[in-house]
Amino acid sequence: SQQGEEDPQALSIQEGENATMNCSYKTSINNLQWYRQNSGRGLVHLILIRSNEREKHSGRLRVTLDTSKKSSSLLITASRAADTASYFCATDAWDYKLSFGAGTTVTVRA
Amino acid sequence: EPEVTQTPSHQVTQMGQEVILRCVPISNHLYFYWYRQILGQKVEFLVSFYNNEISEKSEIFDDQFSVERPDGSNFTLKIRSTKLEDSAMYFCASSPIRTEYGGDTQYFGPGTRLTVL
Repeated sequence: SQQGEEDPQALSIQEGENATMNCSYKTSINNLQWYRQNSGRGLVHLILIRSNEREKHSGRLRVTLDTSKKSSSLLITASRAADTASYFCATDAWDYKLSFGAGTTVTVRA
Repeated sequence: EPEVTQTPSHQVTQMGQEVILRCVPISNHLYFYWYRQILGQKVEFLVSFYNNEISEKSEIFDDQFSVERPDGSNFTLKIRSTKLEDSAMYFCASSPIRTEYGGDTQYFGPGTRLTVL
């Protein structure tokens, strides 16, 4: 399975701080996608990074991908209370399905 | 911004009953998917659908499950005889045509919470 696995499982930070979470996977991929899920709600797509890309930015989000280590990281800068959510990485191995990790639960304290 | 929509948001059913979960994918998308998330667990792939046929399905997607695109806008998941373990959040997703340059972002709907009693 090429499922992503996130680390840490949970993260608690102060508003304004940065949050970093990591994702590791097992097999070669076409792309890796990060999603956010607020408690009991739907999955919101955050960013997609392709296997030939090393870094991508979107607003306060920065994603890196190291295919040699089969790992990715998601950095949220200047966190806000509204960033409190679970964050999932999902890998796409050209087979038209996403394999999700267990997620990192981020709590931003005011 | 176009969105994937799903109905109902919550479905309660008795074990053994048939349920149909409905989805309206984003209008110009060509690939459609169903995933599920049992409470507290990972999101799991069920099935992908393209050009009116199943592209891929997981081991979970057994004979009790079926998918259909009955018209140009809806995409449905039917569970023929529900079991207690089918209780989960079911997500529909869609993506545009896939090329070497992209089109592979999957956009998810808000989910249908299925409770089997």
